[in-house]
Amino acid sequence: AQSVTQLGSHVSVSEGALVLLRCNYSSSVPPYLFWYVQYPNQGLQLLLKYTTGATLVKGINGFEAEFKKSETSFHLTKPSAHMSDAAEYFCAVSEGGAQKLVFGQGTRLTINP
Amino acid sequence: DTAVSQTPKYLVTQMGNDKSIKCEQNLGHDTMYWYKQDSKKFLKIMFSYNNKELIINETVPNRFSPKSPDKAHLNLHINSLELGDSAVYFCASTYSGTTDTQYFGPGTRLTVL
Repeated sequence: AQSVTQLGSHVSVSEGALVLLRCNYSSSVPPYLFWYVQYPNQGLQLLLKYTTGATLVKGINGFEAEFKKSETSFHLTKPSAHMSDAAEYFCAVSEGGAQKLVFGQGTRLTINP
Repeated sequence: DTAVSQTPKYLVTQMGNDKSIKCEQNLGHDTMYWYKQDSKKFLKIMFSYNNKELIINETVPNRFSPKSPDKAHLNLHINSLELGDSAVYFCASTYSGTTDTQYFGPGTRLTVL
C-alpha cells in the first residue's frame, strides 16, 4: 500500500530564505507524486506533479521538487520565501494516475518577516 | 467561472440529524471524489465515482451515501450525524485513465453539535 510521510508538521523560515519541505513515500509501483497547497479556509491547489520523465519538476509560484527514486523522496523547495507562501502544504502519491491520492499529514509553512 | 463548487460552505447541525452536501464541476471531467479533512488537517479519500459509477469506497460507515445523478454532480448524504463527523469535506474531479490533476472544491465545513 502506498503511504506518504512529511517530515515536520510545522516549518518556519524567514522571508527571503530557502524553503525546504520534506516528503518521503512508499509505493510498490512507480509512483505519481504531487504537491498541493492549501491557503486558509480554501481548497487545495496543485503546485506541481511528477509522473514520468524529468525528475526535477517546476511548479507555480517558484516552487520545484525533485523525484529521487533511490531515496523515495520528493522534497519541495523554493529559493526565496515570500510572505504569501504561508499555507499548509500536502504531498501526495498515486498509483495508476491521479485516480486515488494518498496524502501526507501536511506541513504548515510560516514565513517570518 | 468556478471549476468545482460545493454547497453549503458551512453546515452546523445537531447529532442525529441527516444532511447533504452538494458538489458540481464544470470542467467536463468524468471522475469525482469526496475527501474528508479532520481537525488535524489529515486528508483521506472517502469515495470516487466514474461516469456515475462508484469505483472507490474507502471503508466509510454506511451512514454516508454518495449519489451521482450525472457525471458533473456528486452529492454526499449523511444520516444520523455523529460528533466525529465534524470535519471539512472536499469534492474533487479529474479525467479518468490519465495522470491529470485532481481539482478540488473550496470545502464544506461540517460541525456537529
